[in-house]
Amino acid sequence: ETGVTQTPRHLVMGMTNKKSLKCEQHLGHNAMYWYKQSAKKPLELMFVYNFKEQTENNSVPSRFSPECPNSSHLFLHLHTLQPEDSALYLCASSRSTSREGTQYFGPGTRLTVL
Amino acid sequence: KNEVEQSPQNLTAQEGEFITINCSYSVGISALHWLQQHPGGGIVSLFMLSSGKKKHGRLIATINIQEKHSSLHITASHPRDSAVYICAVHRGSQGNLIFGKGTKLSVKP
Repeated sequence: ETGVTQTPRHLVMGMTNKKSLKCEQHLGHNAMYWYKQSAKKPLELMFVYNFKEQTENNSVPSRFSPECPNSSHLFLHLHTLQPEDSALYLCASSRSTSREGTQYFGPGTRLTVL
Repeated sequence: KNEVEQSPQNLTAQEGEFITINCSYSVGISALHWLQQHPGGGIVSLFMLSSGKKKHGRLIATINIQEKHSSLHITASHPRDSAVYICAVHRGSQGNLIFGKGTKLSVKP
């Protein structure tokens, strides 16, 4: 049990749909992350939040919109996605964004864009 | 070329074999992680290293900062060790990780 939960676990959406991914951590951490994992590619960092403030946006297209209302919850709002956005989206949290902060990952949301 | 390279990409072993997975990186780092990803996606952090060697059960991780190389060893491998093993590095003092593509390990009974 990692203490990081993600919903939904699987999502199929059309290119015109709007959906949101949710991440919740029960570890009392202050930093949260969104990662994208595509087939045969390394994990890619998308966004970093530290104490609810976005500290990193790794050149992510605007069709992905993150929201961090508090240190325990992180959302990824999706709209007008493309089929190439189909991937596993992983959330992680850590005590801080320093290198000493081991990241704990959620189980991921498997997204398919039709 | 990725900043973090792992070898081999795929590895099949018989139960009980000693396994080594390698990670080389081309950037200056402050720490290196080994992660395990099981089918279905969940990722677990195994080790965080900045020097030397760490051991946890049947798993051993080593790092050579001068050679920019790390290895993950599994002794007495078991089918439940079957997973993708991912190497990731911290480039600086912040928590942003750069990941390798992973090594898919399959241990046959």
